[in-house]
Parts: sequence; C-alpha cells; structure tokens
Amino acid sequence: EIVMTQSPATLSVSPGERATLSCRASQSVSTNVAWYQQKPGQAPRLLIYDASTRATGIPARFSGRGSGTEFTLTISSLQSEDFAVYYCQQYVNWPLIYTFGQGTKLEIK
Amino acid sequence: QLQVQESGPGLVKPSETLSLTCTVSGGSIGSSTYYWGWIRQPPGKGLEWIGSIYYSGTTYYNPSLKGRVTMSVDTSENQFSLKLSSVTAADTAVYYCAVSPDWYFDLWGRGTLITVSS
Repeated sequence: EIVMTQSPATLSVSPGERATLSCRASQSVSTNVAWYQQKPGQAPRLLIYDASTRATGIPARFSGRGSGTEFTLTISSLQSEDFAVYYCQQYVNWPLIYTFGQGTKLEIK
Repeated sequence: QLQVQESGPGLVKPSETLSLTCTVSGGSIGSSTYYWGWIRQPPGKGLEWIGSIYYSGTTYYNPSLKGRVTMSVDTSENQFSLKLSSVTAADTAVYYCAVSPDWYFDLWGRGTLITVSS
C-alpha cells in the first residue's frame, strides 16, 4: 500500500498570505495525485487532480505541482473561506488501493 | 447536473451487515464515463477509500477491509449500493458516495453517519 504523508499537520497563516501544503508518497505515483478541501460538517471538495489541474470552478489562487513522490498545494492569497482541512490522495492503478493523506488543517493565524 | 445522495439506517448492531444506497440524479449510472465509489471517515479522523464500481459491475475493493465489502449497481433504479458485513465499532463513520471520472473523486454526496452500537 502506498502511504501518503502530509505536512505540517497544522498550518497557521494570516489572511492574504500564501500557504504551501506538502504531501509525500512512499513510492512514485507519477502525477496521479488529487487534493481536496473539507470544511466542518461538509463533504470533501475536489480542488486539484493529476497533480496540477484545477477542478471545475476552483479559483486560480489554488495551484498544485509535483511528480513522483513530492507534491505541493499552494494557495496564493488566503481568503477567509480557505481555512479548512486539506487532503491529498494518490490513485495509481497498481497496487489498486487508493489512499489519502492524514490531512493538513489550515487555520487562521 | 449530476448529483449523488447516500441513504442508510443510521444505526447498525455489531456483527450485522451495514447496507447503504447511493442514488444518482442528473445523469445515468449506466454511463461509461464514470466509476462510482464509497469513502468513509471515522469521527474526527481522515478519509478511507472503501471501493469503487463500474457500470458493468466490475468492482475494486480496499483489501484492508478483508473481504467484508460487496458493491453492486442497479441501473433500473439509477443506484449503487454498499454492503459491509460483520461490522464492529471501528466501522462507525460518515460514509460518502462519490463519482469518479478517473480515480479521483469529482463529486461527493453529503455523507451519512453510520453508528455501530448495540
């Protein structure tokens, strides 16, 4: 099973500043990584797929990059609605076990 | 607009079988465009992929659930379902159904909390 490790567990950033979240895979997943945002009491929302492609309706301040084992999600200028928990997910086809990271909580500084 | 919505019992007794249904609206579950998946989230914890199914009935399960999972598609009702057998308290979670155009999850239901307790 491929393990996805996110860091940091909690990130404190002020509104208007940039936030960078990291995700590391235990083996290469090429660019088969997605990022999700989850707010309390809500379902996760897809932000990024294929490591760097924004999902429909996602603002341009969200960007993803990386390949192989190292991935980042950057939010260029934090808005109040961006404070949430963020998860990465890998989806390589072998082994066929789709795994999520443990999450990074982005909180207001 | 494609939407999915979970339905289920809310409370299941230990050792019994949990059964959930996901109803698809705004599109056909028979579409070859999508896979249909289940993900769960224990209270206060992270996300776990349970399994996915294609319209043809081909299934993909998380091996960590040790053969307790069965998924099926009902094209006449535009639904897909999840059965998880021999449940314990560790299976208490919010269960989400979701739509996958590839193997990431593009659209999620609101989720339904399933509590395993006697």
